Amino acid sequence: EDQVTQSPEALRLQEGESSSLNCSYTVSGLRGLFWYRQDPGKGPEFLFTLYSAGEEKEKERLKATLTKKESFLHITAPKPEDSATYLCAVSPRGTSYGKLTFGQGTILTVHP
Amino acid sequence: EPEVTQTPSHQVTQMGQEVILRCVPISNHLYFYWYRQILGQKVEFLVSFYNNEISEKSEIFDDQFSVERPDGSNFTLKIRSTKLEDSAMYFCASSEGLDARGAEKLFFGSGTQLSVL
Repeated sequence: EDQVTQSPEALRLQEGESSSLNCSYTVSGLRGLFWYRQDPGKGPEFLFTLYSAGEEKEKERLKATLTKKESFLHITAPKPEDSATYLCAVSPRGTSYGKLTFGQGTILTVHP
Repeated sequence: EPEVTQTPSHQVTQMGQEVILRCVPISNHLYFYWYRQILGQKVEFLVSFYNNEISEKSEIFDDQFSVERPDGSNFTLKIRSTKLEDSAMYFCASSEGLDARGAEKLFFGSGTQLSVL
């Protein structure tokens, strides 16, 4: 069974304090791993797609990396506006392309 | 920037009533999805839809659920007889299909919060 587990469940940082979020996954075959940002009362907003181990993607203060078993979302010098829930999702081979399996998310709070 | 639009943002209904949740996907997208998120739980897949047919559905998507694309712009989810456990945030998503590396990027709407009393 395909599974995605994210840790920690919640993370509190001071502005400027860098850290990483973890996403561990188990799939029969990985088509892609996605990171989304979700603000309260909103839908997931796309951040990155990673396709194979060793791949990295960057956007502003965020950098996503991928290994064969996990992905990390590194946040460098975060700002209060980075506060959100960060969701990891996988697209397993052998299912509909848009059928994603999500983790439970990491709630990130950045204090000024 | 194009976005997926969902209406209403909140829907309150009585148990046993029918509800229709509405979505306007991004205009050039061809693949459509419904997901839901029960409070405090993971976002979970309900159904995928392409070329006026269901491509795949989850175990949650039983005979009480149906989807339709009644015209060229709307995509709807109908729950025939709502149950208390149907209370959740329902997200519509769309995509233009596979990217160059064989994955599909989904764009999500802001959701409809369904409360069944």
